[in-house]
Amino acid sequence: DQQVKQNSPSLSVQEGRISILNCDYTNSMFDYFLWYKKYPAEGPTFLISISSIKDKNEDGRFTVFLNKSAKHLSLHIVPSQPGDSAVYFCAASTRTNAGKSTFGDGTTLTVKP
Amino acid sequence: DAGVIQSPRHEVTEMGQEVTLRCKPISGHNSLFWYRQTMMRGLELLIYFNNNVPIDDSGMPEDRFSAKMPNASFSTLKIQPSEPRDSAVYFCASRLASYNEQFFGPGTRLTVL
Repeated sequence: DQQVKQNSPSLSVQEGRISILNCDYTNSMFDYFLWYKKYPAEGPTFLISISSIKDKNEDGRFTVFLNKSAKHLSLHIVPSQPGDSAVYFCAASTRTNAGKSTFGDGTTLTVKP
Repeated sequence: DAGVIQSPRHEVTEMGQEVTLRCKPISGHNSLFWYRQTMMRGLELLIYFNNNVPIDDSGMPEDRFSAKMPNASFSTLKIQPSEPRDSAVYFCASRLASYNEQFFGPGTRLTVL
């Protein structure tokens, strides 16, 4: 049973437009969510996170939205840049097992110039 | 800080051989994680340590896999004997207690012929 799902394997957007990456989870115990970005031949790097006590967190061009009732979160990138082209992983963790994150399969974002 | 260091970056070996992957976490980090990434299974957690103690090894695929953390600055993941289906990219990550985000190394690409 995959507890964290990223249903879109890939997404292509034009430079300057908005990129929206989606993530769904099934475990209601998850209370902390993270997004990581991964370039080829590198390890994932932390991008932005959100606690379940919030419904939005913003950092520059990146905003994460959390809908607890729908068990859904999304990452918005505005405006998208070619350097944002990477694989984006959604991850979730619980307070009782802090630090252990369950990862989705990732979404490959391509931003076209 | 140099970040999480993994060695070797690439390993090619023959079926039946012993493989040892190495990781040096970021100094001061309390938790260390070993992940495996494949096309079929995505990014899966194999084992993680808190303060050098293994906490959860439920992701270790079978007895051929073992991991140790003899001190706070070094960990190994050993596969003995290796099989072609072990071919994957293996990531090590570390985390500072009280923070959820993990810092990943560049990975070791393992090919078992």
